[in-house]
Amino acid sequence: GQNIDQPTEMTATEGAIVQINCTYQTSGFNGLFWYQQHAGEAPTFLSYNVLDGLEEKGRFSSFLSRSKGYSYLLLKELQMKDSASYLCAVRGSGGYQKVTFGTGTKLQVIP
Amino acid sequence: DAGVIQSPRHEVTEMGQEVTLRCKPISGHDYLFWYRQTMMRGLELLIYFNNNVPIDDSGMPEDRFSAKMPNASFSTLKIQPSEPRDSAVYFCASSLPAGGADTQYFGPGTRLTVL
Repeated sequence: GQNIDQPTEMTATEGAIVQINCTYQTSGFNGLFWYQQHAGEAPTFLSYNVLDGLEEKGRFSSFLSRSKGYSYLLLKELQMKDSASYLCAVRGSGGYQKVTFGTGTKLQVIP
Repeated sequence: DAGVIQSPRHEVTEMGQEVTLRCKPISGHDYLFWYRQTMMRGLELLIYFNNNVPIDDSGMPEDRFSAKMPNASFSTLKIQPSEPRDSAVYFCASSLPAGGADTQYFGPGTRLTVL
């Protein structure tokens, strides 16, 4: 089975840096995704990690440690529009396309 | 491309009624997924198809739920009879069969309320 843990809520200040953690326990591992979901909207893809290390994409970076079952999403130079839920999702061994989502971290950016 | 299309966007029905949700995936995507999202359980995979064939329906909660994909451009998720605990946002997503970061593209969702 799959178990994915993320903090439920976080608050950060505009212009600051925030790190959202995700730990997982899965039967097999074939990649980890981060999605962003604004209230009332669909999730949209942010990043993908399959090897250990840091993937940087503009203001967003994602890190993976497979041995620790751990990932984080780093958001720099926070903007008000970054207020959203951030979903960690893991592809295990239950079918190549089968992805299990965490319950998400609701981030509130304040002025 | 118009993206993944879902209808209706909102559905309010009474307990016991049949509900049909519809999805048109992105053209050329071989995989189609149905998810359900609630505050308590987050985003849960219900079923997914590859080339119109159901691959894994282990997430379908019970026999009241059924899904079909008669062709590459259309899928339905049916709940019969509906119950208040089925109230949730139902998302359809599609993806390419390419390896690696083959991200899923989500539709806008159908917000279902069962009274």
